[in-house]
Amino acid sequence: AQRVTQPEKLLSVFKGAPVELKCNYSYSGSPELFWYVQYSRQRLQLLLRHISRESIKGFTADLNKGETSFHLKKPFAQEEDSAMYYCALGGFKTIFGAGTRLFVKA
Amino acid sequence: GAGVSQSPRYKVAKRGQDVALRCDPISGHVSLFWYQQALGQGPEFLTYFQNEAQLDKSGLPSDRFFAERPEGSVSTLKIQRTQQEDSAVYLCASSPTGTVPLGSYEQYFGPGTRLTVT
Repeated sequence: AQRVTQPEKLLSVFKGAPVELKCNYSYSGSPELFWYVQYSRQRLQLLLRHISRESIKGFTADLNKGETSFHLKKPFAQEEDSAMYYCALGGFKTIFGAGTRLFVKA
Repeated sequence: GAGVSQSPRYKVAKRGQDVALRCDPISGHVSLFWYQQALGQGPEFLTYFQNEAQLDKSGLPSDRFFAERPEGSVSTLKIQRTQQEDSAVYLCASSPTGTVPLGSYEQYFGPGTRLTVT
């Protein structure tokens, strides 16, 4: 069965510290993976997708097929990164994880 | 340009009432998705349209849920005889692309409709 697991509901870090949001997936084929972000009082929006291998707002994510992971990383967290982050799997039938709330403290 | 819009933004229904939730996708977007997001959870897929065709409705939780997109633009999600477990945020998203087996779909989300069933 297809599944996305985000083990941390809440992650709190200090400004300037590295941050890693964990995501593990279960999928039998070649996965399409995404990170979506929802800032306070805003709608859900795409942050990045693995296929484009891009860096958005300093965030990167590498697909590790051996570990079935797609962790989101940023070397130096900023206060404006505080938001809800969702890892998502799939094409048109997207499967979302439960989300991790990132709180960056001043 | 305008993004995806949804109405109403908030809906309170008494148990047993029927409700209709509307989604206006971005103009020209081929694909339209509905999700249900319960408190503390990620969005869960309900159904998918490509133009006016409903290609997947496997996520609809019961036959009380019905979605349509008759002209390939605006979509309505209808819930009949609402129950307390239907309380959730209902999200609509659209995408400019149609179905591609391993396509990288960027979905543009609306603000959601928060449904509370009392």
